[in-house]
Amino acid sequence: AQRVTQPEKLLSVFKGAPVELKCNYSYSGSPELFWYVQYSRQRLQLLLRHISRESIKGFTADLNKGETSFHLKKPFAQEEDSAMYYCALSGLSTDKLIFGTGTRLQVFP
Amino acid sequence: DAGVTQSPTHLIKTRGQQVTLRCSPKSGHDTVSWYQQALGQGPQFIFQYYEEEERQRGNFPDRFSGHQFPNYSSELNVNALLLGDSALYLCASSLAWREVGGELFFGEGSRLTVL
Repeated sequence: AQRVTQPEKLLSVFKGAPVELKCNYSYSGSPELFWYVQYSRQRLQLLLRHISRESIKGFTADLNKGETSFHLKKPFAQEEDSAMYYCALSGLSTDKLIFGTGTRLQVFP
Repeated sequence: DAGVTQSPTHLIKTRGQQVTLRCSPKSGHDTVSWYQQALGQGPQFIFQYYEEEERQRGNFPDRFSGHQFPNYSSELNVNALLLGDSALYLCASSLAWREVGGELFFGEGSRLTVL
């Protein structure tokens, strides 16, 4: 079955602390992995994608095919990082996204 | 560019009624996808339209149907509404189905409440 699992509904940290939002997936084949973010009162938007190998707003995500994971990391959290984060995957020949249930990140001052 | 626009933003219907939601894609995009997001859940793929045809469909009953117009805008229709259809309906546009790992651009959604 194709599935994305985000085990944490809520993650709370203090400003300056490291952050890791967990994402595990189940997919037969080689999926493309994404992190989408929704800030308060804003629309869902792409944060980063595996294929680009980029760091956005200090966030990085490494695809671990052995563990089927795509955890999102940032060494020093900022208050403006507070948002809802969704991990998602798609197949190689489609942009249909399968989303996880999301993790709410709260960064306290 | 206003990005992806959806209407209406909120609506209330009763069981058994029908609803039509509308979406205008981001300028330059020709592919529109619809997602349903129930409370506390991630978005779930309903279907995708390209060249006025349904290209892909998720696990939704035939009560959910759609249309794409020559100007690339799209409608989502839901017939015989059930309480469980209450959700936020998101429209996303892209050129991405031809591009591996492409980005979807989302609208703000239409929140449907079924009483």
